[in-house]
Amino acid sequence: GAGVSQSPSNKVTEKGKDVELRCDPISGHTALYWYRQSLGQGLEFLIYFQGNSAPDKSGLPSDRFSAERTGGSVSTLTIQRTQQEDSAVYLCASSLAWDRAYNEQFFGPGTRLTVL
Amino acid sequence: KNEVEQSPQNLTAQEGEFITINCSYSVGISALHWLQQHPGGGIVSLFMLSSGKKKHGRLIATINIQEKHSSLHITASHPRDSAVYICAVIRRIGNQFYFGTGTSLTVIP
Repeated sequence: GAGVSQSPSNKVTEKGKDVELRCDPISGHTALYWYRQSLGQGLEFLIYFQGNSAPDKSGLPSDRFSAERTGGSVSTLTIQRTQQEDSAVYLCASSLAWDRAYNEQFFGPGTRLTVL
Repeated sequence: KNEVEQSPQNLTAQEGEFITINCSYSVGISALHWLQQHPGGGIVSLFMLSSGKKKHGRLIATINIQEKHSSLHITASHPRDSAVYICAVIRRIGNQFYFGTGTSLTVIP
């Protein structure tokens, strides 16, 4: 079953530490998306990749957040100097292409990040 | 001001009822998504629309681009339809995503 996978599924960290979240998209999907959902809140878009390129990084909440994608496949979302307000479920999705005709997204199970 | 508004926020229905969830948006879009999030947290994409109407099983999604409005209909609702339904749009200029706050649906047997 080659769906979108994310790791770790849960991460507890101390305030000020850096964390890396990983997303493995469906094989062959060129578009990849990162979202977060804070407790009791709606979904918030963070960033998307077309291949290895992220055309718009304005959705990232602060300069402590960065994301990269290499080889058109795996993506990592890095949060530096974590703060308690970063606690949320971070969701990754992928789609066949960045084109509205192919833009059905398949979501991963998410990484639940807790910053103490 | 939210770019995407959903209504109702909460909805309780009896099994078998016809359900409508509405989504209005204020920006020009290239596409609109309806997503389903179950209590366990998993998200499933139900529909992606850029015009007209789509049907999948008991689910029907429509969009009126001129009126900037979309509806999700569930026919013959079932308790397993209980979930949060989320409307999301992709802005035509800039490709930003905007999400509604979701509609929490509970279908009672």
